[in-house]
Amino acid sequence: DAKTTQPNSMESNEEEPVHLPCNHSTISGTDYIHWYRQLPSQGPEYVIHGLTSNVNNRMASLAIAEDRKSSTLILHRATLRDAAVYYCIPYNAGNNRKLIWGLGTSLAVNP
Amino acid sequence: DAGITQSPRYKITETGRQVTLMCHQTWSHSYMFWYRQDLGHGLRLIYYSAAADITDKGEVPDGYVVSRSKTENFPLTLESATRSQTSVYFCASEDPGLGSYEQYFGPGTRLTVT
Repeated sequence: DAKTTQPNSMESNEEEPVHLPCNHSTISGTDYIHWYRQLPSQGPEYVIHGLTSNVNNRMASLAIAEDRKSSTLILHRATLRDAAVYYCIPYNAGNNRKLIWGLGTSLAVNP
Repeated sequence: DAGITQSPRYKITETGRQVTLMCHQTWSHSYMFWYRQDLGHGLRLIYYSAAADITDKGEVPDGYVVSRSKTENFPLTLESATRSQTSVYFCASEDPGLGSYEQYFGPGTRLTVT
């Protein structure tokens, strides 16, 4: 299984962009890169995923390096509700759809 | 209510007792999962199920039993609870047919074994 490295914690100010990095240098060519987040006292929720191209959705953008060894989750305008732990997870649907979780990045958003 | 629900939300039990945590989803997703979350660890997969009557072990299955007689339910049983099983348990589901590879999580059950 591919390993990921994320900062333990990051801090941002409200309404500013946030760039959450993830290193996944051992990712295989068929692994998608998934991002989930977990708000305090809640279950994780899906944020975004991608394979090679950059991706956008209503929650965030995902920028994937050309060599796929790293990716960055971009929150364009952080809100207080974005304070959560963000997990970067390589995902291979062929591996019985198992997600292998690390410790993620705890994001604090200052008002 | 639509979605994925877990019950109970909180449970305190004694060492040696049998405990069953319930998980119910309304979408008819084929895949369901049980994870536990402890301080210092990411979520760890206990068991998963690809369909009714098909289950398999995850990363930390010892001391747990699952069943899935109906697509929408995936109960997790601790046959003889131990203090090391004190944790927050999350159930999740996924529908491969959607093509989004997104897992949907329940709100969690906080279990304390005394």
